[in-house]
Amino acid sequence: SAVISQKPSRDICQRGTSLTIQCQVDSQVTMMFWYRQQPGQSLTLIATANQGSEATYESGFVIDKFPISRPNLTFSTLTVSNMSPEDSSIYLCSAEGTAAGYNEQFFGPGTRLTVL
Amino acid sequence: DAKTTQPTSMDCAEGRAANLPCNHSTISGNEYVYWYRQIHSQGPQYIIHGLKNNETNEMASLIITEDRKSSTLILPHATLRDTAVYYCIVRVGYTGTASKLTFGTGTRLQVTL
Repeated sequence: SAVISQKPSRDICQRGTSLTIQCQVDSQVTMMFWYRQQPGQSLTLIATANQGSEATYESGFVIDKFPISRPNLTFSTLTVSNMSPEDSSIYLCSAEGTAAGYNEQFFGPGTRLTVL
Repeated sequence: DAKTTQPTSMDCAEGRAANLPCNHSTISGNEYVYWYRQIHSQGPQYIIHGLKNNETNEMASLIITEDRKSSTLILPHATLRDTAVYYCIVRVGYTGTASKLTFGTGTRLQVTL
């Protein structure tokens, strides 16, 4: 299995500012993903973080708002740019594709973001 | 990926088996059934997955009907710590870029004393 950590665990930010969330996996993984979970809702995929190339965004999410980096096989960042109160959510990182195979996607504990 | 339908909520007495149903009538032959759960304020946790045979691990059993149009997740002896939202997800097996998970609304399982 893979253990995923995220930083920060939570933050309170002012509108118009940006926050970068870090995701660290304890082993090399092929795939990394970023999800958003709005209050009381299910998870929605934002994008697939591709190592060595631009992230693949889902419908409704754009790179200017959610730039993503993936410099290597164990680390990724998600930036929430020019934040508004509507961006208040839990942001989760996940990973799949360890040396053991691709059957299971592991999730980090999430970053709880509040925008005032 | 095929759509799934789950009851919004269920209750279960501690120590009893919790049986969580899921309908996936449009499932394709190469799609797997996955179950995840999310305990309050935590990231989702993988439970089990299967293609067409019944599966069992240390956490749960997965029963898939012969026509694969529905499945049931069984927690054999539910405890209070099993209180969570349970998600049934259908997706194609790993093919590179097509490995994303699509979460529905899930079933909120409440285990009571």
